[in-house]
Amino acid sequence: EAQVTQNPRYLITVTGKKLTVTCSQNMNHEYMSWYRQDPGLGLRQIYYSMNVEVTDKGDVPEGYKVSRKEKRNFPLILESPSPNQTSLYFCASSFPGQTEAFFGQGTRLTVV
Amino acid sequence: GENVEQHPSTLSVQEGDSAVIKCTYSDSASNYFPWYKQELGKRPQLIIDIRSNVGEKKDQRIAVTLNKTAKHFSLHITETQPEDSAVYFCAASSLDSSYKLIFGSGTRLLVRP
Repeated sequence: EAQVTQNPRYLITVTGKKLTVTCSQNMNHEYMSWYRQDPGLGLRQIYYSMNVEVTDKGDVPEGYKVSRKEKRNFPLILESPSPNQTSLYFCASSFPGQTEAFFGQGTRLTVV
Repeated sequence: GENVEQHPSTLSVQEGDSAVIKCTYSDSASNYFPWYKQELGKRPQLIIDIRSNVGEKKDQRIAVTLNKTAKHFSLHITETQPEDSAVYFCAASSLDSSYKLIFGSGTRLLVRP
């Protein structure tokens, strides 16, 4: 089954404790992105990757890191999480060009 | 950069009525406009999209219209049903930078039985 898989689905952590949210897709998509969803703000792009070892900042990259060592995986790293990073996070993947973006199930992160 | 504005933020309609959600974009280079539906607790999923070489596209009860001159595009849902209740997001991107999909702020649609 074609899918984008994120883990964990829910995470509560404390300020400053490094964490990683994993994202994996099995559709051989070149493009992958991370978004955060906050009430009234829609989906805002954090980072995107056009292919292996090619990543760039989206609209809200501060406080986040990513890596793309393999085509299927695109982890999101929060080196020192802060309460303002409490949000619902989505990973998405797609082929190049104007094609459908497939989203993961989402990760609800709470930083206390 | 691109900015997408979406209205209204909430919309309540009676079952069977039509619903219209409107978006405007700022970057004239944008030429791809998808709409995503997000049911409660679920992931966003594409329901329809339109490219700038087309003015209107229909798929059963949903349709999207595009006015390139005014930089407006709209989602129309006819004969609404309770299962249409969800949050709807419009988005925009350009062919040269299709990895950057800019979303509107979302519309929460409630269809009353």
